[in-house]
Amino acid sequence: DQQVKQNSPSLSVQEGRISILNCDYTNSMFDYFLWYKKYPAEGPTFLISISSIKDKNEDGRFTVFLNKSAKHLSLHIVPSQPGDSAVYFCAANAIPEVLPLVFGKGTRLSVIA
Amino acid sequence: DVKVTQSSRYLVKRTGEKVFLECVQDMDHENMFWYRQDPGLGLRLIYFSYDVKMKEKGDIPEGYSVSREKKERFSLILESASTNQTSMYLCAINFSGNTEAFFGQGTRLTVV
Repeated sequence: DQQVKQNSPSLSVQEGRISILNCDYTNSMFDYFLWYKKYPAEGPTFLISISSIKDKNEDGRFTVFLNKSAKHLSLHIVPSQPGDSAVYFCAANAIPEVLPLVFGKGTRLSVIA
Repeated sequence: DVKVTQSSRYLVKRTGEKVFLECVQDMDHENMFWYRQDPGLGLRLIYFSYDVKMKEKGDIPEGYSVSREKKERFSLILESASTNQTSMYLCAINFSGNTEAFFGQGTRLTVV
């Protein structure tokens, strides 16, 4: 049973436009959410996170929105750049330090120049 | 900077071989994890460890074992490699007070 779902395997966006990556979760105990970015042949790198006590967190071009009632979060990238082309993983955790992160299957973002 | 080092970037092994994947961290972190990444399947947890000589099974432990004799080193062992274990293997760590996990560069293992 998949607890973290990324239903779009891929997304194509033009350079300069907004990229919106979506993530849904089923476990209501999750209280911390993260986004990771992964280039081919490299390990994932942490991008941005949000705690369940917030509904928005912003870091430069990246903003994560959390809708707890819908069990949904999204990552917005504005403006999108060709270097943003990568696979993005959504991850969640129920009790930090006790349980490992649970990851979604990823969304491949292609930013077209 | 947190540094997580995996012993090999690319590895080719034969079916039936015993394979060791090593992960070393340069900080005094308790928590270490092994994931594998496959297209369309995301990151799946194989094993994890919260302390020396301690190990816990993840979601897909079959065909694997682990060893943690020292705090800084967490080894993933494929007892008898099979072609369905061809994958990207990723080691990760995190530390107390911080949920964010830091990953190594990955090992692309091909079993032929």
